Amino acid sequence: AQSVTQLDSQVPVFEEAPVELRCNYSSSVSVYLFWYVQYPNQGLQLLLKYLSGSTLVKGINGFEAEFNKSQTSFHLRKPSVHISDTAEYFCAVRGPLNYGGSQGNLIFGKGTKLSVKP
Amino acid sequence: DADVTQTPRNRITKTGKRIMLECSQTKGHDRMYWYRQDPGLGLRLIYYSFDVKDINKGEISDGYSVSRQAQAKFSLSLESAIPNQTALYFCATSDMTSGGADRTYNEQFFGPGTRLTVL
Repeated sequence: AQSVTQLDSQVPVFEEAPVELRCNYSSSVSVYLFWYVQYPNQGLQLLLKYLSGSTLVKGINGFEAEFNKSQTSFHLRKPSVHISDTAEYFCAVRGPLNYGGSQGNLIFGKGTKLSVKP
Repeated sequence: DADVTQTPRNRITKTGKRIMLECSQTKGHDRMYWYRQDPGLGLRLIYYSFDVKDINKGEISDGYSVSRQAQAKFSLSLESAIPNQTALYFCATSDMTSGGADRTYNEQFFGPGTRLTVL
């Protein structure tokens, strides 16, 4: 089975500072990794995903993430945040289809609330 | 117009009442999901459906039931609501992964959520 750990429940940061939101996963098989963002009072939307290929993945709004297989991590980064980046961010993992009965469904972490202050 | 809609957006009810949350989508997707979100717990899967005749329990299905009335509609019912079912509920949709290519991933699209309070 797969699992996801988001190491920080809250990350406060000042505007224009860099930010890293940490995500570690556990799996005995190959996985696919995702970051979703939830703005206040909205549903989730996909920020970026890693399926294969280059380990550095670029997403929307200037975010990027790096897949590190040896450290089982998929940390999300942005070099300079804006007030509008204030949101909750969820890391998610998906295993292979039909593995362990998962049907390829997503397993979400508990979320990290990013608060950008002026 | 939104591709995935949920009704109602907010609902306050009392313990023991039967509640139905509805989800509709115009994306033409086969797969639909119901999640609940609790503070500090992330999203947990309640039920999912791969087509009208295929419904599966998720991680936390106890106390819930679902109905896939059509490809575009997937409703969640709480037969007898209890206070610990107070949460934010999300519906999501995605395409079927096609062609047997496991690396094909189809993004999940989420509705705006329904905030349910059980008193």
